[in-house]
Amino acid sequence: NAGVTQTPKFRILKIGQSMTLQCTQDMNHNYMYWYRQDPGMGLKLIYYSVGAGITDKGEVPNGYNVSRSTTEDFPLRLELAAPSQTSVYFCASRASGLAGNEQYFGPGTRLTVT
Amino acid sequence: QKEVEQDPGPLSVPEGAIVSLNCTYSNSAFQYFMWYRQYSRKGPELLMYTYSSGNKEDGRFTAQVDKSSKYISLFIRDSQPSDSATYLCATLVNAGGTSYGKLTFGQGTILTVHP
Repeated sequence: NAGVTQTPKFRILKIGQSMTLQCTQDMNHNYMYWYRQDPGMGLKLIYYSVGAGITDKGEVPNGYNVSRSTTEDFPLRLELAAPSQTSVYFCASRASGLAGNEQYFGPGTRLTVT
Repeated sequence: QKEVEQDPGPLSVPEGAIVSLNCTYSNSAFQYFMWYRQYSRKGPELLMYTYSSGNKEDGRFTAQVDKSSKYISLFIRDSQPSDSATYLCATLVNAGGTSYGKLTFGQGTILTVHP
C-alpha cells in the first residue's frame, strides 16, 4: 500500500492564481482531512470528509474548497491565492470506528504564494 | 486562549538523557490524547495515544495524562539522536459522534538529541 499520497510536493503561486492540491489514499478509509502547518503553530484543520459526497469545514476554511467524489480522493482547491496561504499542507485519512484509530498523514505540499 | 498549549522549544539534550515534553489543554470534553512525531519535511506519525487519565508505556516512551490538571506529558528515556524530531500533542473528543476524529494539535516541540 502506498498509504496517503499528495501532489505536488512543492509549488510557487502568484497572488490571485488558483490551484488544486491532490490527495489520494489506498486504505479504503472513510475519513479524510486537510491541515495546514505554519511554523510554530501546529496543524490547523481546514476541511474534513466522513465519506464520499460529505464534507464539512474545519477551523480555518476561508479561501479553500474541497470535494469528495470517491473514497480515495480528496482534493483541496485554492481560489485567488493570497500570501497568507503560504504554508505546508497535509492530507490525512483514518478508518472510522475505534477512537484510537490512527490518522495517517501524507508527505505534505509546500506552497509559497508571492 | 488556545485549546491546546505546547512549549515550542527548541529543546536540545545529550544522548541518553530523559526528555519530558508537555502540553496543557482547556477543553474538559477532550477524552483521547495523542502524541505524534514529525521528522523534518515529513508528515506526522502517531507515536502513542491514551484514553482519559493514566499512563501508557511503549519501550522508551511513556505517555501520561492528568485530566484533573488538564496536563499531558511524554517522557523519552535513554534518548537517541534518532529521536530528534518535532513532537506534537493532539486531543480528540471522541472518534464518532459529532467530532469525526477531528484532532486539535498543540504547536509542537522541536527536540534535538546530540550524540
